[in-house]
Amino acid sequence: RKEVEQDPGPFNVPEGATVAFNCTYSNSASQSFFWYRQDCRKEPKLLMSVYSSGNEDGRFTAQLNRASQYISLLIRDSKLSDSATYLCAVNRQSYNQGGKLIFGQGTELSVKP
Amino acid sequence: DTEVTQTPKHLVMGMTNKKSLKCEQHMGHRAMYWYKQKAKKPPELMFVYSYEKLSINESVPSRFSPECPNSSLLNLHLHALQPEDSALYLCASSHYSGSGGEQFFGPGTRLTVL
Repeated sequence: RKEVEQDPGPFNVPEGATVAFNCTYSNSASQSFFWYRQDCRKEPKLLMSVYSSGNEDGRFTAQLNRASQYISLLIRDSKLSDSATYLCAVNRQSYNQGGKLIFGQGTELSVKP
Repeated sequence: DTEVTQTPKHLVMGMTNKKSLKCEQHMGHRAMYWYKQKAKKPPELMFVYSYEKLSINESVPSRFSPECPNSSLLNLHLHALQPEDSALYLCASSHYSGSGGEQFFGPGTRLTVL
C-alpha cells in the first residue's frame, strides 16, 4: 500500500463545475499537509497548506481529517486554467533533518469549455 | 520572493560523461532537497540537506553525488548514469518548524541519458 494515495483520474469537467479531490495517508506521524499543482512539463507549485480547521483561498477549499487520515481539495466554479495535475503531499518534519515530503500519484484535471 | 533557480534547464549526456546540476535559493531557507520525477509519476525524494549537512539519502545510487557548498547552493554531480536515470530533476527548499515545512520547487533540469 502506498503511503499517500490519490485517485489518478482523469477528471473531465465542464467550466463552472465543482470538483473534489481526496487523498488518504497511512502514516499517523505525518505532520503537515499540502496541495500542489503541476502543469505539464513544469515544476510543482504550492497551491495550499492544509490545516485541521480547514482553509479557503478564493475558489479553493482544503480540509484535513486527522482521525480518518485524509485530506481534500474542493475547486468551485472551475476555470479552463485550472486544468493541471493536483498532487497531495504529506510531510514528516523533524528538527535537524528537514522535511520528507511524500506525494500522492497526482490527479489529472481537465476543464472543458 | 519564493524563487528557486536551477541550471541547466535541459541536459543531454552520455553514459560515460560527468556533469553537474545546480540549484540556488535566496530565501534564507536552511533545508534543500533533490527530487527525481519520471513522466506521469510524482516527485520522489533523493536527498535532503539540513544546515548544509546531508541529513537524508533515500538509498540513491552512488552515481548521483550531492553537494551543498553553502546555505544558498545545492549541486548534484552525475557520473556514469544509465538511460533509466533520464527524468526531471527538481530542487526544492524550505524553512524549518513554524512554517509547516512548505517546500518550494525550482523549474527543474530535464535530463536525458543516451
